[in-house]
Amino acid sequence: EVQLVESGGGLVQPGGSLRLSCTASGFAFSDYEMNWVRQAPGKGLEWVAYMSISGRTMYYAGSVKGRFTISRDNAKNALYLEMNSLRAEDTAVYYCARELRMSYWGQGTLVTVSS
Amino acid sequence: QSVLTQPPSVSAAPGQKVTISCSGSSSNIGNNYVSWYQHLPGTAPKLLIYHNDKRPSGIPDRFSGSKSGTSVTLGITGLQTGDEADYYCGTWDSSLNAVVFGGGTKLTVL
Repeated sequence: EVQLVESGGGLVQPGGSLRLSCTASGFAFSDYEMNWVRQAPGKGLEWVAYMSISGRTMYYAGSVKGRFTISRDNAKNALYLEMNSLRAEDTAVYYCARELRMSYWGQGTLVTVSS
Repeated sequence: QSVLTQPPSVSAAPGQKVTISCSGSSSNIGNNYVSWYQHLPGTAPKLLIYHNDKRPSGIPDRFSGSKSGTSVTLGITGLQTGDEADYYCGTWDSSLNAVVFGGGTKLTVL
């Protein structure tokens, strides 16, 4: 069974940093592209970042470019999102999703940016 | 303001059919595959349709997708109360080098 489990969310002050993790199981993680997607309270889905199978190609939403970094460790079946210079508008549930068609999603981890 | 445009809400009675539209442009829907997702609050979004009209295994044939030019449509027949959810279209935008979603459509089964 394919499983994606996000962790690392929590309360952080504006300007602070946080690192999210997504642990994959039930499939060959190293064979798939991965994404981060978020949903702010009361809002729709917003794509955040994409990473290719090799890890050499990354794309970011304009709203996070220069502040967030996506990475992966295929040996650990893990995807990461390093978030810096956090703002109140980054408050959201963050999901990891498999491949560009987003065939599988995790349950999400809540990030709250507030003083 | 989302790159892809969906109606904010649709509604229909149990057993009836509903369609949800999603319009974009040549840089996204017009030249890339589109997916549809079902999202119930507090749960993981679920892929319903990929490659415009393909259903993943386990998705009933009550759900269908179609594409015409720069628009796509999700159809749901035999509506059930359990279908009440938010529905999103999504695709790659070749000009933005980004995944783009519609704003979401809330389905109410009356």
